[in-house]
Amino acid sequence: DAMVIQNPRYQVTQFGKPVTLSCSQTLNHNVMYWYQQKSSQAPKLLFHYYDKDFNNEADTPDNFQSRRPNTSFCFLDIRSPGLGDAAMYLCATSLRTGMKFFGPGTRLTVL
Amino acid sequence: DAKTTQPNSMESNEEEPVHLPCNHSTISGTDYIHWYRQLPSQGPEYVIHGLTSNVNNRMASLAIAEDRKSSTLILHRATLRDAAVYYCILILSGTYKYIFGTGTRLKVLA
Repeated sequence: DAMVIQNPRYQVTQFGKPVTLSCSQTLNHNVMYWYQQKSSQAPKLLFHYYDKDFNNEADTPDNFQSRRPNTSFCFLDIRSPGLGDAAMYLCATSLRTGMKFFGPGTRLTVL
Repeated sequence: DAKTTQPNSMESNEEEPVHLPCNHSTISGTDYIHWYRQLPSQGPEYVIHGLTSNVNNRMASLAIAEDRKSSTLILHRATLRDAAVYYCILILSGTYKYIFGTGTRLKVLA
């Protein structure tokens, strides 16, 4: 089945230690998104790629970066995780402005 | 950005209909109304969307007020598997951004 895959599902890192979360998709969608979701809150858009064009939300901290080497893969890099970055990170895809398909998320713990 | 307002939580008995309201008084003429739900420990999933007319699909129905300032998601027969957080989202036509509201946590009682 076509889908959005996120690895790992659970990630533990240490305060200040860089971490990378990955997302892959078999839908061949041209738009990929990263959302941050903290406990009992709604998802918050960090940035998105339209093809190779990167679009950052104005309030996304510089600590968060992203890479999209090809259509299928997108990575979220957190350069120096703080305790406040502990959250669920959701990857999503869409074909242009159509319906979004979300992955299961990666739960990040920062020790 | 257009905003939505939803009740924080609702309860329903199993096998009964559920009406989940959403207010979006700042909606503009080209904003689409989308509903997603998020089951525990999963990413959000699409439920239904509409622009002006009421919509039905296999999961739910969407009733849109004539002035489009509010809408209601209708689950015709709630099951235990429908327990989730339901998000009402406005999408400006031609944009990629979904701004999630706070959502309604639906509890279904057996």
